[in-house]
Amino acid sequence: AQSVTQPDIHITVSEGASLELRCNYSYGATPYLFWYVQSPGQGLQLLLKYFSGDTLVQGIKGFEAEFKRSQSSFNLRKPSVHWSDAAEYFCAVITDSWGKLQFGAGTQVVVTP
Amino acid sequence: GAVVSQHPSRVICKSGTSVKIECRSLDFQATTMFWYRQFPKQSLMLMATSNEGSKATYEQGVEKDKFLINHASLTLSTLTVTSAHPEDSSFYICSATAGSEFHGYTFGSGTRLTVV
Repeated sequence: AQSVTQPDIHITVSEGASLELRCNYSYGATPYLFWYVQSPGQGLQLLLKYFSGDTLVQGIKGFEAEFKRSQSSFNLRKPSVHWSDAAEYFCAVITDSWGKLQFGAGTQVVVTP
Repeated sequence: GAVVSQHPSRVICKSGTSVKIECRSLDFQATTMFWYRQFPKQSLMLMATSNEGSKATYEQGVEKDKFLINHASLTLSTLTVTSAHPEDSSFYICSATAGSEFHGYTFGSGTRLTVV
């Protein structure tokens, strides 16, 4: 069955430092992958998605992600974080033809001054 | 861009009563809507998938008689938590997509349900 794993539950990063969030998937074919961000008590906002083509995907808010089939990974990166990037980040994969999304456990990002 | 409005954002109800949560697509026709439940500091768990004009498809372990889902139009889906109990307290989020375009998932802002 398709699944997605986010190994890091919690990450603390200094403002201005780089950020990388890990996501590993388990899927036989080329997966449809997403990264979402959630602020406390809010819904989810799409940062970026990968379906096919260029394996380096640019998203909103300065985020990018790279699809690596050999490593079954879709890691999210940002060169320089801002205090407003503190949030919960979810990796997700479409699991069937209805478009059901399966989410990873999420990574809580804390940004320190 | 696509907007999904979810109401109410917060609701407190007494144990044994029912609560209805609405999910509306404001500027597109949502042929498919998904309902998720999220416990504190946990991920989103899919509860059910609803397609306009059809019965919802529930995930394993989700009680369909307790969580009634109606998707009567292309812009509105409702989730009714019947005979709510404190263990139903959670954050409920809907998402909507148009047709087979997996590109366009739009999430509502969520509903915090507290059952007292």
